[in-house]
Amino acid sequence: TQLLEQSPQFLSIQEGENLTVYCNSSSVFSSLQWYRQEPGEGPVLLVTVVTGGEVKKLKRLTFQFGDARKDSSLHITAAQPGDTGLYLCAGARAGNQFYFGTGTSLTVIP
Amino acid sequence: ETGVTQTPRHLVMGMTNKKSLKCEQHLGHNAMYWYKQSAKKPLELMFVYSLEERVENNSVPSRFSPECPNSSHLFLHLHTLQPEDSALYLCASSQDRAGDYEQYFGPGTRLTVT
Repeated sequence: TQLLEQSPQFLSIQEGENLTVYCNSSSVFSSLQWYRQEPGEGPVLLVTVVTGGEVKKLKRLTFQFGDARKDSSLHITAAQPGDTGLYLCAGARAGNQFYFGTGTSLTVIP
Repeated sequence: ETGVTQTPRHLVMGMTNKKSLKCEQHLGHNAMYWYKQSAKKPLELMFVYSLEERVENNSVPSRFSPECPNSSHLFLHLHTLQPEDSALYLCASSQDRAGDYEQYFGPGTRLTVT
């Protein structure tokens, strides 16, 4: 059992569609980060959320941290082929513990 | 050069070989990390160094041996690996070790053990 479960694991959509990726846990995190990883590269940080209920927007990407700080979602509006990649959530807990989620592989078809 | 660099980008080695992976960060960070990324598995944290001191070792087999000679460089020495060790090995750094700091990743070394 993984501490952070992401769903769906794989997602293939047409350009212009909207999508939501979920990151769920039964544990509380002090902060949660979202990364995107493109093939052949390391993950790149997209956003950090620290407050329960917090919503952050990055152009067409909207990130939300759950009120109880146990889960998060990433919503992409009007997906583009450039959004293709592996999306990873990562949570920080007390004692400097840091956990990555299982990942969502997104493919946006032109 | 900026960011986090890793060499080599690709490595093929036999089970009896000894090789080393190198990571260098040009960000002035105090913490460095080694991760293993296998297909269909979450990123696995292997080692954490803070101010050149190893502060975390997540039950990694002894055939993986890290070395951090200074705050800018991190090595992963490999010997007598197994085929299941084939994976993408990622190095990362952050300002300090605390979990709230952003981690900057290198491009990774794609390791294949034959």
